[in-house]
Amino acid sequence: DQQVKQNSPSLSVQEGRISILNCDYTNSMFDYFLWYKKYPAEGPTFLISISSIKDKNEDGRFTVFLNKSAKHLSLHIVPSQPGDSAVYFCAAIRGSNYQLIWGAGTKLIIKP
Amino acid sequence: EAGVAQSPRYKIIEKRQSVAFWCNPISGHATLYWYQQILGQGPKLLIQFQNNGVVDDSQLPKDRFSAERLKGVDSTLKIQPAKLEDSAVYLCASSLGTSNNNEQFFGPGTRLTVL
Repeated sequence: DQQVKQNSPSLSVQEGRISILNCDYTNSMFDYFLWYKKYPAEGPTFLISISSIKDKNEDGRFTVFLNKSAKHLSLHIVPSQPGDSAVYFCAAIRGSNYQLIWGAGTKLIIKP
Repeated sequence: EAGVAQSPRYKIIEKRQSVAFWCNPISGHATLYWYQQILGQGPKLLIQFQNNGVVDDSQLPKDRFSAERLKGVDSTLKIQPAKLEDSAVYLCASSLGTSNNNEQFFGPGTRLTVL
């Protein structure tokens, strides 16, 4: 039962352009969503989050958009830089223990 | 500030053997998590501790997996006996507590290969 889905295993973007990573979810009870970034041989690191009561959150080059009616969120990176090449995971929080439910990840490749 | 430490970084064993992983969380973090990440999938929570008590172990295969967090600091995860499908990266994470604002910090993981 995949409650959080990232349907694109990989994405290739030219340096300087916008990268858009997508995530869909099925459980309308999720109340918080997060994006994590992971480099090879390292653990995931927190990037940005959004509460379910908001539709946008921005932090520097990173913006997350939430469309609750479509159960869809996206991460925008503008402009994309070579150091952004990594695997990006979408995750949702559920329950009083604030456990994370993860998508399968999207590998972003920034081309010079 | 030191991050979450894990050891070993890599382990190769044969099926039916035993293996143990160690995690040292960030100092002062009350909550500790063990995740299993199979290649091509997102991390799956195995067990969550709050101090030295278990909060949730519903997805831990208890016939072969065990975990403990003595004294509410370090934690060990054990697999006995290992199966081929246990090949994965085992991630440990810690957070100050359990709330939406308590970011989970991850260690580098232990890559387990079962032959």
